Amino acid sequence: SQTIHQWPATLVQPVGSPLSLECTVEGTSNPNLYWYRQAAGRGLQLLFYSVGIGQISSEVPQNLSASRPQDRQFILSSKKLLLSDSGFYLCAWSVPGPGSPLHFGNGTRLTVT
Amino acid sequence: GQQVMQIPQYQHVQEGEDFTTYCNSSTTLSNIQWYKQRPGGHPVFLIQLVKSGEVKKQKRLTFQFGEAKKNSSLHITATQTTDVGTYFCAPSLFFSGGYNKLIFGAGTRLAVHP
Repeated sequence: SQTIHQWPATLVQPVGSPLSLECTVEGTSNPNLYWYRQAAGRGLQLLFYSVGIGQISSEVPQNLSASRPQDRQFILSSKKLLLSDSGFYLCAWSVPGPGSPLHFGNGTRLTVT
Repeated sequence: GQQVMQIPQYQHVQEGEDFTTYCNSSTTLSNIQWYKQRPGGHPVFLIQLVKSGEVKKQKRLTFQFGEAKKNSSLHITATQTTDVGTYFCAPSLFFSGGYNKLIFGAGTRLAVHP
């Protein structure tokens, strides 16, 4: 069966520090991969998606970037965090194809101080 | 771009009461998915609706897709404390190249008082 791992679970970082969140998927090949952010008590905002290795599309302009160095690995990064980057970051995967459901990781709760 | 509006934003009910959340779009949707997020947890896929007027049931949950495929609803009969969480609707858009994009509504947060 497929599983998705996301770490760390919680992170407290000072403003201006770098960020690296990692997500890996097991049990499937060539998945679509996604990074979402959720502000406290709010909905889900799509940040990045990827349909293959090295293929990254950004949905919103910001100081975050994403990379997919391997088929089942998705990384969210920032060179310098802002206070507004605080939130709940969720990685998700889906099977390529119309209407495929998303399967989310447990998320990383990031607090920028 | 395509957006959906979910109402209400928040509802609290007494255990045993029914609950309904609505998802409305100004454009015709090809399909819609529903997710549940428990407090502190991650969204979990519940169901997908594809056909006009489709009704699907999962135990006490009933999902409907409107005839015009512009709205959807989730109804919970006789709520239990385990139903607590935020319910999201999410129509999906499919792009050539295999990319499936979900547009999440703002969600309806359900609180159940025992």
